[in-house]
Amino acid sequence: DAGITQSPRHKVTETGTPVTLRCHQTENHRYMYWYRQDPGHGLRLIHYSYGVKDTDKGEVSDGYSVSRSKTEDFLLTLESATSSQTSVYFCAISELAANTEAFFGQGTRLTVV
Amino acid sequence: TQLLEQSPQFLSIQEGENLTVYCNSSSVFSSLQWYRQEPGEGPVLLVTVVTGGEVKKLKRLTFQFGDARKDSSLHITAAQPGDTGLYLCAGGFFGNEKLTFGTGTRLTIIP
Repeated sequence: DAGITQSPRHKVTETGTPVTLRCHQTENHRYMYWYRQDPGHGLRLIHYSYGVKDTDKGEVSDGYSVSRSKTEDFLLTLESATSSQTSVYFCAISELAANTEAFFGQGTRLTVV
Repeated sequence: TQLLEQSPQFLSIQEGENLTVYCNSSSVFSSLQWYRQEPGEGPVLLVTVVTGGEVKKLKRLTFQFGDARKDSSLHITAAQPGDTGLYLCAGGFFGNEKLTFGTGTRLTIIP
């Protein structure tokens, strides 16, 4: 299995609070992605990174920010959590760009109450 | 935004039957991947197709990439309960570093 770890695995938080999810990899892969998964929507890209301090927005980036200060860590921050951000969040890594295999973490189930 | 549509969204069939699920886009893919996801886990890659018209087989699973590289299909022969899961297609597009996922087909095989 690819070395990719998400933390926490489960979190319940209150509306309006900031939340940070962490993705850690031991594969030294260049690309890292944050997706959210909701029923009927598949996986939707929030943000991705193509190198240290190099990030770009995905299709559902509003309300989220990311940081990548080291190759192995990619942080996703919900600046002020809302109930619409209740979801399962997946981190993925890939060695090259979109036409290579993406390896996924086990997901973080976030509930905003 | 490139969209990938999968059909059907849900499929429930008896063990031993055959089935096909589809992935379609209005854009041309540079490559296409199929993943399977089980409850509580992240998706796991099944196959990558790159060449228009390409066919790949993985035991009872046959993957086909359309000649125009805008669509793909996954055919399962003699489905088994272990095939149950969420099947996701994901497309890469020329000049785009993002991997875009389809909406998924949730497959249930009834013993």
